[in-house]
Amino acid sequence: QQQVKQSPQSLIVQKGGISIINCAYENTAFDYFPWYQQFPGKGPALLIAIRPDVSEKKEGRFTISFNKSAKQFSLHIMDSQPGDSATYFCAARTEETSGSRLTFGEGTQLTVNP
Amino acid sequence: KAGVTQTPRYLIKTRGQQVTLSCSPISGHRSVSWYQQTPGQGLQFLFEYFSETQRNKGNFPGRFSGRQFSNSRSEMNVSTLELGDSALYLCASSLGVSATPSSYNSPLHFGNGTRLTVT
Repeated sequence: QQQVKQSPQSLIVQKGGISIINCAYENTAFDYFPWYQQFPGKGPALLIAIRPDVSEKKEGRFTISFNKSAKQFSLHIMDSQPGDSATYFCAARTEETSGSRLTFGEGTQLTVNP
Repeated sequence: KAGVTQTPRYLIKTRGQQVTLSCSPISGHRSVSWYQQTPGQGLQFLFEYFSETQRNKGNFPGRFSGRQFSNSRSEMNVSTLELGDSALYLCASSLGVSATPSSYNSPLHFGNGTRLTVT
């Protein structure tokens, strides 16, 4: 119930195209859904996040779409650029009786060809 | 503002040894979490500290331990190292102003990790 399933595992997109990464979860206690971007040799960097009471959030070329009833959320990268080539992780937060934790998806390796 | 700093960046240890990793959070952040990243298991939560107290712990054996100091800096210790402990260990900090340190208004910021290799 704590898992977050992410797909696809890898994605190749042409420059200017749209990259779409999907995540699904089971635990309805998740209450915060961030996306992280990770470049080789670096730690994950927060990209964008959404609360479950919002269906969509957009920041620049990055958009999260959230479907609470389907327990799915996705990241859309518009006008994808070679500099977007990285590994993307979706995550979901649970609040425990004390403290909280993030559960991460398996990651998607995005390659944007010039 | 400086980011999360982890030292050392790389470590090579032998099976059976122990290791201590260090993390300095972003100034003003009181919550520190540790994650293990491996190709097979992805990012796995180890534990979280807030105000020098461990508030949450993942499903790792007791060989993995940590602590937080009064200045919010944190250390993670792994004893009796096994080959399977080879991983990138990531520290993350957040404001932690409430009981929900990873909340929307208190996002988690990661360091660049310590790459541990056990031979």
